[in-house]
Amino acid sequence: NAGVTQTPKFQVLKTGQSMTLQCAQDMNHEYMSWYRQDPGMGLRLIHYSVGAGITDQGEVPNGYNVSRSTTEDFPLRLLSAAPSQTSVYFCASSYSGPLGNIQYFGAGTRLSVL
Amino acid sequence: KQEVTQIPAALSVPEGENLVLNCSFTDSAIYNLQWFRQDPGKGLTSLLLIQSSQREQTSGRLNASLDKSSGRSTLYIAASQPGDSATYLCAVSRESQGNLIFGKGTKLSVKP
Repeated sequence: NAGVTQTPKFQVLKTGQSMTLQCAQDMNHEYMSWYRQDPGMGLRLIHYSVGAGITDQGEVPNGYNVSRSTTEDFPLRLLSAAPSQTSVYFCASSYSGPLGNIQYFGAGTRLSVL
Repeated sequence: KQEVTQIPAALSVPEGENLVLNCSFTDSAIYNLQWFRQDPGKGLTSLLLIQSSQREQTSGRLNASLDKSSGRSTLYIAASQPGDSATYLCAVSRESQGNLIFGKGTKLSVKP
């Protein structure tokens, strides 16, 4: 059981480049989300999805795009990278069970924009 | 707007001590509260989840309590070990499949 898998683990971009951060989960969870973690800021929600075909914005959505064509995958697209997007990005998935909605996180993608 | 605060930001203790990490939140209308552990360069691992109707949850040497009316939660770690060294994050959710609002974490160092 792989859980939540994020690729790549590390990435360096130049300002203005675009890229897609991949996230896949094999637990058949309906809910998936993307967070960014910055020093002194904690984790902040970028976008989330409650199921295939449904996405919505979180706290810091500007400069990012998402889509959810399957239950398993939830890619995050940087349209035109900026130095302010240098961060660690985490993908998470969850389901509502008897113990509540425990969220499972991927190992993260460390992105540097020069 | 919900805000989550964790005190202290960092804590260093000798091995074997019992310790308490604190988490406070400004809006008591939460669905649940979770405590996570994050090791350097790694993702987050869920430790304990407390539903809003519960007062505490226990897992091994960890005990988390919730006082929703006062907007507080504590994570108690008994008989700390060097392997407990990590950053501990508290997060609250307003809905069952809701998004998490995180505190900035407490960085714990347990010295042998």
